[in-house]
Amino acid sequence: GAVVSQHPSRVICKSGTSVKIECRSLDFQATTMFWYRQFPKQSLMLMATSNEGSKATYEQGVEKDKFLINHASLTLSTLTVTSAHPEDSSFYICSACPSADREFTKNIQYFGAGTRLSVL
Amino acid sequence: AQTVTQSQPEMSVQEAETVTLSCTYDTSENNYYLFWYKQPPSRQMILVIRQEAYKQQNATENRFSVNFQKAAKSFSLKISDSQLGDTAMYFCAFMKHTGTASKLTFGTGTRLQVTL
Repeated sequence: GAVVSQHPSRVICKSGTSVKIECRSLDFQATTMFWYRQFPKQSLMLMATSNEGSKATYEQGVEKDKFLINHASLTLSTLTVTSAHPEDSSFYICSACPSADREFTKNIQYFGAGTRLSVL
Repeated sequence: AQTVTQSQPEMSVQEAETVTLSCTYDTSENNYYLFWYKQPPSRQMILVIRQEAYKQQNATENRFSVNFQKAAKSFSLKISDSQLGDTAMYFCAFMKHTGTASKLTFGTGTRLQVTL
């Protein structure tokens, strides 16, 4: 149990285009999901906290108009990188926390497999 | 703000041996969780073990155990009987204990290589 699916796993796009990444909790509901960014050989840096039915909370320094987050249901959050540029190339990872009424412990974050974004 | 420090960028251990990865953290919180996550070459983050700060007993999961020293703010991971599949980046992480899901603060990671 506690499977998080992230799609696509790899995307290559031209500069100026927008890219949408999906994060789905497959066997549990998640009121809260998180989006992280990871540069090569570095740790995960939190970009934003995604809350179902409300606006995302962005970390300091993260442009909310650049990285649009939508958490429209209890099993799906999306991250859209708008007008992508080469400096946005990175590995993006989502995680989801089961809601309190699930058998899983609510304070554990389960991670998707990540999306490697390359902007040409 | 919380900080997590992993002072060992890389470590190596022979198969079947035991290795300990270090982690220290700084926080003014009294209630929190600590985690070790593993990131193999596939880059999929996998939960290894979790410790609740209010529990004095050290968490264990099969070959993985922790040494949690709350006063010293130390949270080391011991891997016994190391296997080749343990080769990965290991991240220590901190989470405040709140009524709802809270964000993780990660350390910089330790790259563990298990050799024959």
